[in-house]
Amino acid sequence: GENVEQHPSTLSVQEGDSAVIKCTYSDSASNYFPWYKQELGKRPQLIIDIRSNVGEKKDQRIAVTLNKTAKHFSLHITETQPEDSAVYFCAARSTGANNLFFGTGTRLTVIP
Amino acid sequence: DSGVTQTPKHLITATGQRVTLRCSPRSGDLSVYWYQQSLDQGLQFLIQYYNGEERAKGNILERFSAQQFPDLHSELNLSSLELGDSALYFCASSSLAGERGEQYFGPGTRLTVT
Repeated sequence: GENVEQHPSTLSVQEGDSAVIKCTYSDSASNYFPWYKQELGKRPQLIIDIRSNVGEKKDQRIAVTLNKTAKHFSLHITETQPEDSAVYFCAARSTGANNLFFGTGTRLTVIP
Repeated sequence: DSGVTQTPKHLITATGQRVTLRCSPRSGDLSVYWYQQSLDQGLQFLIQYYNGEERAKGNILERFSAQQFPDLHSELNLSSLELGDSALYFCASSSLAGERGEQYFGPGTRLTVT
């Protein structure tokens, strides 16, 4: 099955700086890669996703890049704000599969 | 608010007991997924139902079972509970069976087994 690895496990940045979280996946048939943000005790919220026919997608301060050859994808957050502090999960889903395989999460702390 | 609802929000029970968690998907969504999240852990996929039928199975214990009813709500049954079953249980829903459907999560049920 699919195996998703996520790094780093914790990340601290100063407010206004950029944050980058990286994930790798093992199944070359994976074609959908969402990112979720989870605040303490709350539900994971879908913040951005990318499909394998696209190399980059941007939504305001958030962007995701995908390198299919290297089988890795990354989340970029620019101009970080304290409210960006949360745990971020990447995930992958294979063609023909139904469930998502999640990374182990990155705890992002934005220091005011 | 994702539109996915889960009840109860919190559940405290003793080892050996049985509980039922309930999930109502977003209006129009046919797929329901169940995930387990232990303390400071990631999300482990348990099982998926699509329009009443089991579609995919993950790391679900034999003590756990689920079903999806004709009105598309789903229930996750956990029996012979152990301390290690304490976790947040999320359900998610999507409009399609899998490949093209984004998953939206409910608020979760926090299960504490004492």
